[in-house]
Amino acid sequence: GIQVEQSPPDLILQEGANSTLRCNFSDSVNNLQWFHQNPWGQLINLFYIPSGTKQNGRLSATTVATERYSLLYISSSQTTDSGVYFCAVGPGGYQKVTFGTGTKLQVIP
Amino acid sequence: GAVVSQHPSWVICKSGTSVKIECRSLDFQATTMFWYRQFPKQSLMLMATSNEGSKATYEQGVEKDKFLINHASLTLSTLTVTSAHPEDSSFYICSATGQHQNYGYTFGSGTRLTVV
Repeated sequence: GIQVEQSPPDLILQEGANSTLRCNFSDSVNNLQWFHQNPWGQLINLFYIPSGTKQNGRLSATTVATERYSLLYISSSQTTDSGVYFCAVGPGGYQKVTFGTGTKLQVIP
Repeated sequence: GAVVSQHPSWVICKSGTSVKIECRSLDFQATTMFWYRQFPKQSLMLMATSNEGSKATYEQGVEKDKFLINHASLTLSTLTVTSAHPEDSSFYICSATGQHQNYGYTFGSGTRLTVV
């Protein structure tokens, strides 16, 4: 099956700093999503981005499908950004997605 | 946007009893629903895929007689953990997809199951 690797596995930031999270995948995909899992376990859908670039406030994401990677940018980080960030990829349609290994982010005041 | 409601948020049950978790799509028809399990500090592992009106497809290593999945309507899927044991304690999350493909997959808020 498809392999999904995320880096870095852990990241500690000072509040206000910027960061880039990476998601590499081993096969072509038609579905790629970024999620934020908060300390209570809830998965928040950040972006549906199988290709191209999207921005939502301080967050933006870029997927280069031909090179099989996606990047999540967090600017001016806040303590509420802490949690685990997952990318999930799949072939599209109604087929299953595979989750990456996750990046645990801690933003300190 | 698409919303998926999952209940209960947490449940504690005695060993040997069964627990049912519900996953509802509130504003769209969920053609396909997925059930995941997450152990502490790990990623989400797919347990099974269910399509409305069909039997669920289980991932390798998942006991289908232990984790019963029903997807009887386009808005409701249930996961029943039968004869639960402490090793079944985990975080279970459902997700749904359907006509709203531009949203990708929408996830429920998860259920933390503790078996004592």
